[in-house]
Amino acid sequence: DVKVTQSSRYLVKRTGEKVFLECVQDMDHENMFWYRQDPGLGLRLIYFSYDVKMKEKGDIPEGYSVSREKKERFSLILESASTNQTSMYLCASSRTVFSGGEQFFGPGTRLTVL
Amino acid sequence: GQQLNQSPQSMFIQEGEDVSMNCTSSSIFNTWLWYKQDPGEGPVLLIALYKAGELTSNGRLTAQFGITRKDSFLNISASIPSDVGIYFCAVFRPGTYKYIFGTGTRLKVLA
Repeated sequence: DVKVTQSSRYLVKRTGEKVFLECVQDMDHENMFWYRQDPGLGLRLIYFSYDVKMKEKGDIPEGYSVSREKKERFSLILESASTNQTSMYLCASSRTVFSGGEQFFGPGTRLTVL
Repeated sequence: GQQLNQSPQSMFIQEGEDVSMNCTSSSIFNTWLWYKQDPGEGPVLLIALYKAGELTSNGRLTAQFGITRKDSFLNISASIPSDVGIYFCAVFRPGTYKYIFGTGTRLKVLA
């Protein structure tokens, strides 16, 4: 059974804190994604990684960075959290993104920044 | 930019009824995905479609990839309370690494 896991389901942080969101997939997928989901705005792509140490900016990368040191793990970093980064963060992975394919999501991390 | 339009936006149905929703685009796509998302959870992939005209079932769910490659339909037969949630479609944008997501159909089932 395919599995994408995220380190926390709920997280509360203060403005200015550095925040790490971790994602792990056990499907040996090449591609991993970070999205945020907000009411009325749908899913928006923050960053994408197609290989270890490789990354591409998505539609809304400002205020975020990512790290992919191992194939199975993709981390999202908020260098200095702000209240407008309060959101649901979703990690996803897929095997063959450039030819289209199934994308699997993790359970999500609901982040609140106070 | 490219958009996927889903309809209806929301629907109330009686338990046991069949449900139908669709997703349309102004562009052609070669991969259509259907997801269900429960409140506070991540989306779960229900059905993936790769061929125009393809009809695929997953239990009580049936999805079709439109022959024009610009639309897709999802049907749920004999709905039950646990079908409650948001259903949304997604397509893969060829030549990129991006998926486009529909706006979602919120399903509420009345017991």
